[in-house]
Amino acid sequence: AQSVAQPEDQVNVAEGNPLTVKCTYSVSGNPYLFWYVQYPNRGLQFLLKYITGDNLVKGSYGFEAEFNKSQTSFHLKKPSALVSDSALYFCAVRGNTGFQKLVFGTGTRLLVSP
Amino acid sequence: DTAVSQTPKYLVTQMGNDKSIKCEQNLGHDTMYWYKQDSKKFLKIMFSYNNKELIINETVPNRFSPKSPDKAHLNLHINSLELGDSAVYFCASSQGAGEYETQYFGPGTRLLVL
Repeated sequence: AQSVAQPEDQVNVAEGNPLTVKCTYSVSGNPYLFWYVQYPNRGLQFLLKYITGDNLVKGSYGFEAEFNKSQTSFHLKKPSALVSDSALYFCAVRGNTGFQKLVFGTGTRLLVSP
Repeated sequence: DTAVSQTPKYLVTQMGNDKSIKCEQNLGHDTMYWYKQDSKKFLKIMFSYNNKELIINETVPNRFSPKSPDKAHLNLHINSLELGDSAVYFCASSQGAGEYETQYFGPGTRLLVL
């Protein structure tokens, strides 16, 4: 069964600084990896996904994520954080062997201070 | 235009009552999902329908019954509500049930059982 770990409950960063939100995964076969963001009292918004190909995936709002197969990681990054990036970020994974559900991590709260 | 909409947004009810949550998507997708997010923000899939056929049925009490009258709608009926049912319920949709398909989420229905 697939699983996702987001080791940090919260990440604090100053506005303008680079940010990283960590995610590691476990899955049978090749992984399909996703990042979603949830603002307070809102639904989840899709940021980006990795299917195959280039290990660096670019997504919405200036975010990108790097797929590392040897480390089974898919960390979310942004070169310069904005206060408006403060939200809850979820990593999710699906395997490619048969029909599998999308499994979410426990979420990481990002707090960007002015 | 709202892509995935849910009604109601808030639902406060007494234990033992029966309630329904409705979901509609105007994206032309053929696969829809129900997720439950608990108080710790943990997100877990409950059900999924593809072309009105049930394809995922997680370990959910029989009190929860999904119904898909057509590809654009997926409703969730809950019988004999319990305190532990208090959560945020999210509907989502995707084009196809493939592992790489992006799921788009509704704004959520916040259910509080008293």
